[in-house]
Amino acid sequence: DIVLTQTPLSLSVTVGQPASISCKSSQSLLRSDGKTFLYWYLQKAGQSPQLLIYEVSGRFSGVPDRFSGSGSGTDFTLKISRVEAEDVGVYFCVQGIGLPWTFGQGTKVEIK
Amino acid sequence: EAQLVESGGGLVQPGRSLRLSCKVSGLTFGDCDMSWVRQAPGKGLEWVAFIRRKGFGGTTEYAASVKGRFTISRDDSKSIAYLQMDSLETEDTAVYYCTRRWGTFGPLFDNWGQGTLVTVSS
Repeated sequence: DIVLTQTPLSLSVTVGQPASISCKSSQSLLRSDGKTFLYWYLQKAGQSPQLLIYEVSGRFSGVPDRFSGSGSGTDFTLKISRVEAEDVGVYFCVQGIGLPWTFGQGTKVEIK
Repeated sequence: EAQLVESGGGLVQPGRSLRLSCKVSGLTFGDCDMSWVRQAPGKGLEWVAFIRRKGFGGTTEYAASVKGRFTISRDDSKSIAYLQMDSLETEDTAVYYCTRRWGTFGPLFDNWGQGTLVTVSS
C-alpha cells in the first residue's frame, strides 16, 4: 500500500499568517497520462471531512482562493496564504493512483 | 442540495453483524459512485469500500482490513447504499461516513454524510 506522510502533525498559526503542510508519498502518484492523484480534505471539529483540493492543485467549488495545492510525483504541499479562524481543523491528504486509497495521518491546525 | 444520511450504527458484540444504510437525496443516485470511509475514535480516516454506478459495471472494491467480512451494495430504486458488516471486530469501532465519489477516478469525495457510530464491544 502507498504510505502518505504528513508534516507537521500539528501547526499553530497566527490569524493572517501563512501556513504550509507537506504530504510525501512512498510512490509516485503520477499516471501515464500526466494526471496526478493527490487530494486534500479538511475536517473541522465535529464535522464530516470536506474536499478542498483535487488532483494536486484543483480548487474544489466554493473553496477560498487562499487555499492552494502544489507538488509533483511524491512531494506535495497545501498552502494557506492567510489563515483565518475558520480554517482550524485537521487536514488530510489522500492518494488515488491505486487501491487501496490511503490517507495521511492528518495535520491539526490551530490558531495561536 | 445533496444530502447523504447514514443510519444503522450502534453497539454490537464481536463476531456479530450490522448493516449500515446511506440514503441519498438531491442527486441522481444511479449516476453516483459511492464509498464508505471510517474514522476510529481520535484517529485518522480510512477508506473502507467502494461501489461503482451500474453504468460502470456496479463493481466493488474493498480495503484489505475488511475484505471478506464487509459487503457494499446499492439499491438504485431506493437511492440507498449499504454496508453489510459481518464478523465484526473491536478494531472496526469507528464513525462510518458515506460518501459520493465525483468523477470517474480516485477518492474525489464531494459529498459526505454526517456519519454513524459503530461500536464493537462485549
